[in-house]
This record gives sequence, C-alpha cells and structure tokens, in this order.
Amino acid sequence: TQLLEQSPQFLSIQEGENLTVYCNSSSVFSSLQWYRQEPGEGPVLLVTVVTGGEVKKLKRLTFQFGDARKDSSLHITAAQPGDTGLYLCAGINAGGTSYGKLTFGQGTILTVHP
Amino acid sequence: DTGVSQDPRHKITKRGQNVTFRCDPISEHNRLYWYRQTLGQGPEFLTYFQNEAQLEKSRLLSDRFSAERPKGSFSTLEIQRTEQGDSAMYLCAGGGLSTDTQYFGPGTRLTVL
Repeated sequence: TQLLEQSPQFLSIQEGENLTVYCNSSSVFSSLQWYRQEPGEGPVLLVTVVTGGEVKKLKRLTFQFGDARKDSSLHITAAQPGDTGLYLCAGINAGGTSYGKLTFGQGTILTVHP
Repeated sequence: DTGVSQDPRHKITKRGQNVTFRCDPISEHNRLYWYRQTLGQGPEFLTYFQNEAQLEKSRLLSDRFSAERPKGSFSTLEIQRTEQGDSAMYLCAGGGLSTDTQYFGPGTRLTVL
C-alpha cells in the first residue's frame, strides 16, 4: 500500500509570512499533484509535477518534486488570507491497472490571519 | 466550476436506511472516480469507471456499496443499510483518457444518525 505523509497537519500564520508544506512517501510515483480544497467543495488542482527535481511556480506558490520522485514540497511566499484552505498532495501511478487513481496525503489545513 | 455536478449536496439519514448519490461529469470524461473523505483526512479511492465498465474497486468498498455507470455518462453510488461509520463526504471526479487531470465535483456530505 502506497502512503503519502503530509506535514504539518495544521498551520496558522500571519499575513505576509512564508510557509512550506511537505509531502513524503517511501514509494515512487509517476507524478504528483497538489490540490486546494475549501470547506464544502471538492479539491481543485493546482499543479502536476512529473519529472524528478522539477520546480513549478504559480504566482506566489512554488512546487518541487524530489529527485527520486518520492517527495514534494509546496512553498507559499507572502501568504494572504485568501490562501486559507486545505492543501492536499496526491500521487499517481500511470499505466498498468492503477487507472490514474489518486493516493492522497491527509492534508494540511492552512489558516492565514489578516 | 469543473463541470462535474453531484446530487444531493447533503444527505442526512438514519442508520439502516439506503441512500443513493448521483454524479454527472461532462461528456468528455471517459474516466470517472469515486472517493470518500472523512473529516480531517484526504480523499480515499473507492472505485473507477472507464466509460460504462467498472474496472477497479477498493477494498474499502464493502458489499453494502454498489456503483454503476450504465451508459458511460452519469454514475450512481448506493449504500445499503447505512452505518454511522459511513458518514463522510463522497466525491466524484471525471477525467479524460489522455490526461492525469481529474475534475472533482462539489461532493455529497452524508450524515448517518
């Protein structure tokens, strides 16, 4: 069974601070995705990283895929109250009988105070 | 808006009752997934359809759970003889065959009393 461990589980910071969320696994994934979920809604895809060592930027968000494709991080610069939400990492094993199903971490609840 | 809709958004039922949820993806979504998410956790995979064929089921899907996608379009998830442990958010996601991107619906929040 593949597992993804996210840390920290909870993060409460002030507006303007930087933060990093980590996603670690003992297994290799074909690709890894980061989602953001708001209360009462489904997860919304932020980014997909595929290549080991890959770095992607989305405005103030920077995503990194580990060289061995077992871990990833999400860094937010100058956090804003609008960044508040549940951040989820999810691994994908393409091909075979996995059919693209997602294995999610337990999530990080981020609260940014004005 | 992902184009994936789910109905109902909320369902409260008594233990032992049967419930059915519906998911409507967009027409291009050959792939359809069901996930279950409990409070404070990430979603867990339940089952996968490729068009009308159910190709994978998680061991989380006990014999009280059944899912269908009769015409390869909408899908239903039925839970028979509900238990309090079934209380969760049930999420549906659609996607194309040539992409890893899944588009999630808003979910159905089930509360079993």
